[in-house]
Amino acid sequence: GAGVSQSPSNKVTEKGKDVELRCDPISGHTALYWYRQSLGQGLEFLIYFQGNSAPDKSGLPSDRFSAERTGGSVSTLTIQRTQQEDSAVYLCASSLDPTRNEQFFGPGTRLTVL
Amino acid sequence: RKEVEQDPGPFNVPEGATVAFNCTYSNSASQSFFWYRQDCRKEPKLLMSVYSSGNEDGRFTAQLNRASQYISLLIRDSKLSDSATYLCVVNSAGNNRKLIWGLGTSLAVNP
Repeated sequence: GAGVSQSPSNKVTEKGKDVELRCDPISGHTALYWYRQSLGQGLEFLIYFQGNSAPDKSGLPSDRFSAERTGGSVSTLTIQRTQQEDSAVYLCASSLDPTRNEQFFGPGTRLTVL
Repeated sequence: RKEVEQDPGPFNVPEGATVAFNCTYSNSASQSFFWYRQDCRKEPKLLMSVYSSGNEDGRFTAQLNRASQYISLLIRDSKLSDSATYLCVVNSAGNNRKLIWGLGTSLAVNP
């Protein structure tokens, strides 16, 4: 079956612009996660959605970052007034069983802020 | 102390060798453990979950030692295609939904 998809695969933007990153999870997966990974660094948790529950936003680095998940499926991560330090690969993952929490990743969006 | 610690390597081994990685975690209440592999400039891919009793999948064996708070990954008969970064992942104690990711151990299998 189809895996997690993300778009765009690459995004180059100018400092101060807003960007939207999209994630389409595996069909039927109730949990969805956003992470970011800077060059040579580990994965940094950003936000987590589980079904209709309130999202866990504890990893969002600033109020310029927000995310929503519509209809329990597709999610959009929005970064407002981008800064150069926002440059990273943004990864989305989904999970079928929240108890076991085996996560499956999309290919990521590589964001470059000039 | 970091929540999840791994030796960054790199481990350079010849084809056919057996190689083992360890990972330590800080919170004894963690319940879920995983190994992922990540190829250069690619997304992480689940290699295997780690069960209390230990588990094996082909050439790969994972072990969990709760008393010492470490997990291990053993790769037998290394292949060139095993070259990657291996990420140790542990759930955040008190919040099974959040995973804590190690920085990874780099493996290079040489012909």
